[in-house]
Amino acid sequence: GQNIDQPTEMTATEGAIVQINCTYQTSGFNGLFWYQQHAGEAPTFLSYNVLDGLEEKGRFSSFLSRSKGYSYLLLKELQMKDSASYLCAVMDSNYQLIWGAGTKLIIKP
Amino acid sequence: NAGVTQTPKFRVLKTGQSMTLLCAQDMNHEYMYWYRQDPGMGLRLIHYSVGEGTTAKGEVPDGYNVSRLKKQNFLLGLESAAPSQTSVYFCASTPGLAGETGELFFGEGSRLTVL
Repeated sequence: GQNIDQPTEMTATEGAIVQINCTYQTSGFNGLFWYQQHAGEAPTFLSYNVLDGLEEKGRFSSFLSRSKGYSYLLLKELQMKDSASYLCAVMDSNYQLIWGAGTKLIIKP
Repeated sequence: NAGVTQTPKFRVLKTGQSMTLLCAQDMNHEYMYWYRQDPGMGLRLIHYSVGEGTTAKGEVPDGYNVSRLKKQNFLLGLESAAPSQTSVYFCASTPGLAGETGELFFGEGSRLTVL
């Protein structure tokens, strides 16, 4: 079966750095997505990786290793507004998105 | 800048009742999707459409029907609601395959409770 694993919940301190990991086992691979979802709101797009390596976008970076079936989202200079769930999703060989259950990130002052 | 709009935002149904969720997008996107989101689970695809007049089943289609009579609208119907269909429903759209464009555009969600 297809599976996306990410931690259920993480806690970090304002101003610090946090890394949210995602491992996947899917039928084929056509890209990996990270989305942010604040409570009671819709997911919003953060990043898309299809090749190995690090993609940096402001305070957020996303890394992909296809050989290891592994990605991480790195958040720097954490702000209280970063408190949200972070969803990892992989596009399989049929171009269907398989979603992880999400990681709830709690930021403490 | 409406983007993707879902109606209604909230609804309470009794078991056996029927209802329709409407999704409208003003971005001229070809692809539209209906997902459900339940606690502790990832988003699960119910049905999707790759263009006007087309629909296809996703991962969890049972108990739902859809129609895409107009390119901008994608309707999700529940013919006989069951408590297991209590969930938050999200509509999304993309210009083409998400793998090509890198992003799904989501509506604000519709919270449905079936008693």
